[in-house]
Amino acid sequence: NAGVTQTPKFQVLKTGQSMTLQCAQDMNHNSMYWYRQDPGMGLRLIYYSASEGTTDKGEVPNGYNVSRLNKREFSLRLESAAPSQTSVYFCASSEDHRGTYGYTFGSGTRLTVV
Amino acid sequence: QKEVEQNSGPLSVPEGAIASLNCTYSDRVSQSFFWYRQYSGKSPELIMSIYSNGDKEDGRFTAQLNKASQYVSLLIRDSQPSDSATYLCAVTAGTGGFKTIFGAGTRLFVKA
Repeated sequence: NAGVTQTPKFQVLKTGQSMTLQCAQDMNHNSMYWYRQDPGMGLRLIYYSASEGTTDKGEVPNGYNVSRLNKREFSLRLESAAPSQTSVYFCASSEDHRGTYGYTFGSGTRLTVV
Repeated sequence: QKEVEQNSGPLSVPEGAIASLNCTYSDRVSQSFFWYRQYSGKSPELIMSIYSNGDKEDGRFTAQLNKASQYVSLLIRDSQPSDSATYLCAVTAGTGGFKTIFGAGTRLFVKA
């Protein structure tokens, strides 16, 4: 009964370092998403994958890359971290690409870039 | 104009009262509407979805949708301190690939 699992939960990076955030879902959902949440700005879509084998940019894709490894897994990579990427990152999944039935979110990754 | 707007609050209500949370959206062809609850330091959790005009009730929660006014609301009856959280309104746009847009959220505080 895991739902959406994200790792790690916390991470501190130095400017210029790289890292990959991992996300896996066990609900057989087709679509997966990466959001960042900053105070006062709500959830902003970074990248999404409507189905296995496809990925598309969201509202704030600069500085990020993604990989839809298979139907279950969707990773987010920061190639050269910047302080502006300090945020809470959420992975989410939905049954279809329209989000018709809403999203299930992972527990989040709190990232600090110093 | 933001695509999904909510009053940031905080909205403070006494225990047992009705909490009313409001949300407006700009895309007239939006199709699906959701309310998520987010406790401090936790992830959003889907609590209500509504797709057609009118009211939808689930326990102490009622979602109301008025597409003509581009307005969706959430009523929480018999509010409890455990309802204290941030409530996010989300709208699935009818254009641009059916992406879901989230409001910034309204903080609700229920006083015991």
